[in-house]
Amino acid sequence: QVQLVQSGAEVKKPGASVRVSCKASGYTFTAYYMYWVRQAPGQGLEWMGWINPNNGVTNYAQKFQGWVTMTRDTSINTAYMELSRLRSNDTAVYYCARTPGRYYFDYWGQGTLVTVSS
Amino acid sequence: QSALTQPASVSGSPGQSITISCTGTDNDVGRSNFVSWYQHHPGKAPKLMIYEGAKRPSGVSNRFSGSKSGNTASLTISGLQAEDEADYYCCSYAGLTNVIFGGGTKLTVL
Repeated sequence: QVQLVQSGAEVKKPGASVRVSCKASGYTFTAYYMYWVRQAPGQGLEWMGWINPNNGVTNYAQKFQGWVTMTRDTSINTAYMELSRLRSNDTAVYYCARTPGRYYFDYWGQGTLVTVSS
Repeated sequence: QSALTQPASVSGSPGQSITISCTGTDNDVGRSNFVSWYQHHPGKAPKLMIYEGAKRPSGVSNRFSGSKSGNTASLTISGLQAEDEADYYCCSYAGLTNVIFGGGTKLTVL
């Protein structure tokens, strides 16, 4: 069965970077784009960007351009999202989500809580 | 780009029907049928309930239905059950391979 398993919770200081991983199983990793979505406390879902695992092409939401980097390692079926220059308002749960195309997400990771605090 | 507009909360009694609206613009909801809906229980992963406006994934109850008119999409839940209590989010294609989410609606089953 399809599974997306994310890395564990992180606590970071302002200005640091964080990398969240998303390990895929149960399907052909390179056949489906992977999106990253976050939810800050008390807030709604926010799209951050996507990566095409087949060729590494990325597209970032305008808000995150310049400080998010999405990569993948096809040898271990894992996608990564790195956010740099963290601020307190980057405290959020970060999700990876698979799309079969047509801009919807059929499988989600369990979420990774990133806390930014001095 | 602002989030799609959803009511902050809706409520209904068991057995009743409720509808959650999701209002956007010509640049997102109005441009295609690529609207999806997600159920989100706190602490869990969001779950796909409706995709491409009105299609239900396998395993999702037929009590959930989706529709769209112009720049507004809607999710209707009939025969409300206690387990339907959750947050619901709409999501729409917004051009140039971007997507945009709604602000979320908290459903309370009375």
